[in-house]
Formats: sequence, C-alpha cells, structure tokens
Amino acid sequence: KQEVTQIPAALSVPEGENLVLNCSFTDSAIYNLQWFRQDPGKGLTSLLLIQSSQREQTSGRLNASLDKSSGRSTLYIAASQPGDSATYLCAADSGTYKYIFGTGTRLKVLA
Amino acid sequence: GAGVSQTPSNKVTEKGKYVELRCDPISGHTALYWYRQSLGQGPEFLIYFQGTGAADDSGLPNDRFFAVRPEGSVSTLKIQRTERGDSAVYLCASSLTAGRTDTQYFGPGTRLTVL
Repeated sequence: KQEVTQIPAALSVPEGENLVLNCSFTDSAIYNLQWFRQDPGKGLTSLLLIQSSQREQTSGRLNASLDKSSGRSTLYIAASQPGDSATYLCAADSGTYKYIFGTGTRLKVLA
Repeated sequence: GAGVSQTPSNKVTEKGKYVELRCDPISGHTALYWYRQSLGQGPEFLIYFQGTGAADDSGLPNDRFFAVRPEGSVSTLKIQRTERGDSAVYLCASSLTAGRTDTQYFGPGTRLTVL
C-alpha cells in the first residue's frame, strides 16, 4: 500500500530564500508524481507533474525532481516570495488512477 | 475557460440528515474524481468515474456514501444519515482522460459540517 510523507510539516523562511520541500513514497512503482499548491479555503492548483520516466520538471521558479529508486521527490522554489505562502502537497499515482496524497508542507514566506 | 465548479461551497447539516454535493467538471473531461480532505490532512480518494460509470469506488468509507454521474458530465456525491465524522472538505477533480500524463484539475471544494 502506497504511503506518502512530507517533511517538514511547516516551514517559515525570509523572502528571497531558496528552499526545498521533501516528499517520500513507500512504493517505487509509481506512474507519476504531482505537486500541488493549496491556498487557505481553496482547492488545489497543479504545479508540476513528473512522469515515471522523467527525472525532473521545471516551471518558472519551481523545479521538481523524482528519484523512484529512493522513493523521493523534491520541490525546489527559487527566490521565494510572500505570494508563495501556501500549503504544498505531493501526490503519487501508483497506476490505479487515484492519487495518494501526503499531508502537505505549510510554507510561510516572510516579507 | 471555466474550471471545475462545486456547489454548495459550504453546507451545514444536522446529524442523521441526507446531503448532496454537486460537481461540474471541465467541459470535455471524461474522468472525474471525488476526494475528501479532513483538517490538516491531504485529500483522500473516494471514487473515480470514467464517463458515466464508477471505475473505482474503493475509497468510499461505507454504504452511506454514493455517487452518480448519469450523463458523463455533472456528478453528485450523496451522503445518507450523516455523522459528525463526515465533516470535511469534499473536493472534486476532473481530467481529460485518465491517462498517465493527464493533470487532475481540482474544484474549490464543498465544506461539509455535520452538527
């Protein structure tokens, strides 16, 4: 059974800092992994989707990597801004069409 | 274009009552998913539709929960005899197909509170 863990649960950084959010999964037989952003009281916004054959994906200041063998994915945020403050969730698709989500990392970027 | 919409945005009900939550997916998306998110947790899968049929309902917690998608577009999640433990945010998502490269687009959710 796939389990997804995110560390840290919460993170507070000063504006401008580069940061890394971690996601680990127990079953390496995943089809893809997706990173989402969730603002308070809102739904989820997809940030990056990495297919199992890919090592990383980039979008603007965001870079997500995937290492299936070690069961890890990281989301790198460059030059963080207060507008990046949100909860970041990773989710793994193990081939069953349904995502298994981590509990998220609550990020606060201080101005 | 319009995204996934869900109604109502908030629903307060009393224990034992019946509720219906509605999801309007993105036009043309054949796959539709329901998730439930409790406070401080990530979303948990409930059910997935491909077209009109429920392809996987393994996440429904018990037989009080039921979902339909009669015309392959709008879906309704139905909860009978609600319990306080059903309180959560119910999220709906849709994707173009259920393919491996298809992003799931989420709606804003319905916050259900059972008193």
